[in-house]
Amino acid sequence: GENVEQHPSTLSVQEGDSAVIKCTYSDSASNYFPWYKQELGKRPQLIIDIRSNVGEKKDQRIAVTLNKTAKHFSLHITETQPEDSAVYFCAAAKNNAGNMLTFGGGTRLMVKP
Amino acid sequence: KAGVTQTPRYLIKTRGQQVTLSCSPISGHRSVSWYQQTPGQGLQFLFEYFSETQRNKGNFPGRFSGRQFSNSRSEMNVSTLELGDSALYLCASSPRTDSGNTIYFGEGSWLTVV
Repeated sequence: GENVEQHPSTLSVQEGDSAVIKCTYSDSASNYFPWYKQELGKRPQLIIDIRSNVGEKKDQRIAVTLNKTAKHFSLHITETQPEDSAVYFCAAAKNNAGNMLTFGGGTRLMVKP
Repeated sequence: KAGVTQTPRYLIKTRGQQVTLSCSPISGHRSVSWYQQTPGQGLQFLFEYFSETQRNKGNFPGRFSGRQFSNSRSEMNVSTLELGDSALYLCASSPRTDSGNTIYFGEGSWLTVV
């Protein structure tokens, strides 16, 4: 089955710096890659997603890039703010597997004021 | 529009007991998925239901089961509880079941097995 690896597991940055989280997936049939943010004690919330027919997508300070050949995708957060502190999860889904998401292990991002 | 609603939010059970968790999806959403979240294993897919039929199943023992009703509400059941079943159980809903849909999570049900 699909395997998603996520790095780093923890990331500490200074406010205003950029943060990059990387994920690799194993199944070339995966074609949908969402990123979720989970604050302490709260539900995971979708922050951005990308489909396999697109190489890059941006939404204000957040961007995601996808390299299908290398089977990896990355989350980029620019001008980080303390409220960006949370656990971020990448995930992958295959075309014929409904809404089944395979998640990475998560990255705890800490933004120091 | 109301979000995904899960009940109960917190519960404590004893080893060997069984538990039923409930999920009401966002109005109009017909796909309901369940995930288990633990510190050690992260977020793991349990199963997905669409139009009252199990669409996909994750790698969990048969003690974990679920069902979906005609109004799209879903329940999951865990029988013969083990200490390792202590986790946050998240329900997620989506309008359709083909890949690429935005999946919306509920707040989860915190299960502690003692």
